[in-house]
Amino acid sequence: DQQVKQNSPSLSVQEGRISILNCDYTNSMFDYFLWYKKYPAEGPTFLISISSIKDKNEDGRFTVFLNKSAKHLSLHIVPSQPGDSAVYFCAASGSGNQFYFGTGTSLTVIP
Amino acid sequence: DADVTQTPRNRITKTGKRIMLECSQTKGHDRMYWYRQDPGLGLRLIYYSFDVKDINKGEISDGYSVSRQAQAKFSLSLESAIPNQTALYFCATSDSGRLYNEQFFGPGTRLTVL
Repeated sequence: DQQVKQNSPSLSVQEGRISILNCDYTNSMFDYFLWYKKYPAEGPTFLISISSIKDKNEDGRFTVFLNKSAKHLSLHIVPSQPGDSAVYFCAASGSGNQFYFGTGTSLTVIP
Repeated sequence: DADVTQTPRNRITKTGKRIMLECSQTKGHDRMYWYRQDPGLGLRLIYYSFDVKDINKGEISDGYSVSRQAQAKFSLSLESAIPNQTALYFCATSDSGRLYNEQFFGPGTRLTVL
């Protein structure tokens, strides 16, 4: 049973616009959340994280928002760039030990 | 540069064969993980190890075994490969001293079982 869900398999946005990637989880014990980015033929790379004591974390063009009551997090990329085109995975953990990953969203940024 | 390497990068084998996938890291991390990626299913944890003497099952450990030969080496074995083990396999490492335990992934091994 999928505990972390990314319901949008793909997303296309124009260069310079905002990209919003969504993630939902079912386990209320999750308290660490991470986003990874994956290019073809490479392993995922860590992008940004947030703990449940926060509702927002920002790193440059990337911001993650956490809504604990809705069990929902989102990744905002502003402005989007062609190099951001990749598959994005969200992951969640209840202890920092074992992470559960979503199915990924493929982002295409159109020049 | 510190790295997580996986060998082989690609492997085609037949049903019933024993296969070993190897992972080495130069990051000095204490924790290591094996995941598999399947289309539409994301990344699923097979096994993880927090140090050389610690091995833990993940979500989908059936049909797999692991060995942590040293802090820097973690191998995954398929004792008798079957076609539904065809997938992309990733090794990852993390440092228990980091707040979010973010993981650093190798480039992946594409395994095909015929």
